[in-house]
This record gives sequence, C-alpha cells and structure tokens, in this order.
Amino acid sequence: DIVMTQSPDSLAVSLGERATINCKSSQSVLYSSNNKNHLAWYQQKPGQPPKLLIYWASTRASGVPARFSGSGSGTDFTLTISSLLAEDVAVYYCQQYYSTPFTFGPGTKVDI
Amino acid sequence: QVTLRESGPALVKPTQTLTLTCTFSGFSLSTNGMCVSWIRQPPGKALEWLALIDWDADKYYSASLKTRLTISKDTSKNQVVLTLTNMDPVDTATYYCARTTYGDHWYHFDYWGQGALVTVSS
Repeated sequence: DIVMTQSPDSLAVSLGERATINCKSSQSVLYSSNNKNHLAWYQQKPGQPPKLLIYWASTRASGVPARFSGSGSGTDFTLTISSLLAEDVAVYYCQQYYSTPFTFGPGTKVDI
Repeated sequence: QVTLRESGPALVKPTQTLTLTCTFSGFSLSTNGMCVSWIRQPPGKALEWLALIDWDADKYYSASLKTRLTISKDTSKNQVVLTLTNMDPVDTATYYCARTTYGDHWYHFDYWGQGALVTVSS
C-alpha cells in the first residue's frame, strides 16, 4: 500500500496570509504512461463531505478559487492557499489514486 | 448533474451486518470507465477507502477489511450496495460513496455523497 503523510498536523494562519501544506507518498505516484501525478487534494469542513480541490497534483477543480494551488511531483507535493480567507478554515487531505487501495493522508487542520 | 446519496441504518448492534446503499444520478455504471467507491471516516479521524466497483463489475477491496466487505451494483436502479459483516464499535463512522473513473489509469473522486453516520452499539 502507498502510505500518505502530511505536515503539519495543524496550522494557524492570519487572514490574508499564506498557508502551505505538505504531502508525501511512500512511493512515486507519477504514472509514466500519461506523465501525470495521481494525487488529489480535498477540503473538508465540519459536517460536510470532502470537496475536490486539486487533481493531477496541480489542476484546480471546477469552481475552486485561484488562491488554491498545488505543486510537486513523484513523492512530494504541496497545497498552497495564497491568501487565507475565513471560509478556508477546514481540514485538508491529500489522496493518491495511482493504485488501489487508494489512500489518504491523515489530514491537516487549517485555522485562523 | 451528478449526485450520490447514501442510505442505511443509523444504528447497528455488534456482530450484525451493515448494508448501505448508494443511489446515484447523472451517470450510468454501465458506461465504460465509471466507478463508485465507498469511503468511511470515524468521528474526528481521517478518511479510509473501503471498496470500489467498476462499470464491468470488477471489484476492489481494502486488504484489511476484504474478508468482511462485499460491494455490488444494480445498474438498472443506479445503485451500489456495500455490506460489512461482523460490525464492531470501531466501525462507527460516516460512510461516503464517491464517483471515480478509469481512463488510461485511475482518476480522482470528483463527486461525493453527503455521507451516512453509522453507530455500532448494543
């Protein structure tokens, strides 16, 4: 199984400041045949299901604000919120879909 | 418009079998590449993928739960059913179904249901 780790576990960011979350996979999720990283980021607010933010490591899902960006390749990935809004308070999960069993990171809680 | 909705009992007793149904719309599980997964989340904890069924009725399971899980589909009803046997209090969680696809390889979960909270208690 591919193990996903995230850091930090939680972070507090001032409104308007940058938030950076790291995600690491135990093996590469870059699929050579399509040259894509099979890595997604989800945002989950209390009492709600996860919401897809980023897929292919860096492609924003439909309707996701441009302040959210993803980067990285292979085994190391980053989710950046460039200017935090109050509505961005949530838990963020990375997930690999390179192979089954699909696995999620433990989550990073972002607070103000 | 793609939607998924989970349904099933909110409370089950230890040792009982849990049966959850995911009813979806906006796509067909007979379409090449379409897949539905079940994912669960214990209160305050992380997400755990459980199982997937694809358009061809191929099934994939979490290794740690494989002996207890069964996933099936009823394409005519647009439903996917998950059963989990021998329920234990540690299986208390919100259970989600989510859509994914398989093209040249696996894709991300693009649509999720609202989730169904299942509590295991005597």
